[in-house]
Amino acid sequence: TQLLEQSPQFLSIQEGENLTVYCNSSSVFSSLQWYRQEPGEGPVLLVTVVTGGEVKKLKRLTFQFGDARKDSSLHITAAQPGDTGLYLCAGARTGNQFYFGTGTSLTVIP
Amino acid sequence: EAQVTQNPRYLITVTGKKLTVTCSQNMNHEYMSWYRQDPGLGLRQIYYSMNVEVTDKGDVPEGYKVSRKEKRNFPLILESPSPNQTSLYFCASSYRGVLSFGGELFFGEGSRLTVL
Repeated sequence: TQLLEQSPQFLSIQEGENLTVYCNSSSVFSSLQWYRQEPGEGPVLLVTVVTGGEVKKLKRLTFQFGDARKDSSLHITAAQPGDTGLYLCAGARTGNQFYFGTGTSLTVIP
Repeated sequence: EAQVTQNPRYLITVTGKKLTVTCSQNMNHEYMSWYRQDPGLGLRQIYYSMNVEVTDKGDVPEGYKVSRKEKRNFPLILESPSPNQTSLYFCASSYRGVLSFGGELFFGEGSRLTVL
């Protein structure tokens, strides 16, 4: 059983559409991060959120940390082919283990 | 250029033949970690190290060993590989460790291992 469950697992949309990816857990996290991974490469950090209810924007990407710090969402506005990739949420708890979500594979069709 | 380097990038081996995947970082990071990535399971942590000579188990340590004799290197050792260890492996490092807010993980490019 994964500590962090992401939905949907796969998402294929047309260029210009909006989408939301969810990252859910029954556990509380001290901080939560989102990474993007492209084929043949390692994940790259997009954002870190540390406060319950926090919202961060990165151009067309909006990240939110749940009030209870158990979940997070990633919203992309007007998706572009360059947004294609695997999106991974990751949460830190006590100790030095970092738990990754199950991943959401996004394909944006031109 | 700041980077995490893994070798080999691709490896096909047979059951029981010991192998080592090397990982080196040039950022003077204290924290290093190994993950395996399998479809539908995301990244699962195998081992991590907070500093030289300090290592600890992650979620899936069975069948793996690590060592941290130098700050820059963190090799992953499979003493007797089995087919269920076929996976994509990533090494990562971080300056402040994941306890600190903003502890960004820097990943290598991955090592794809197939055990026949």
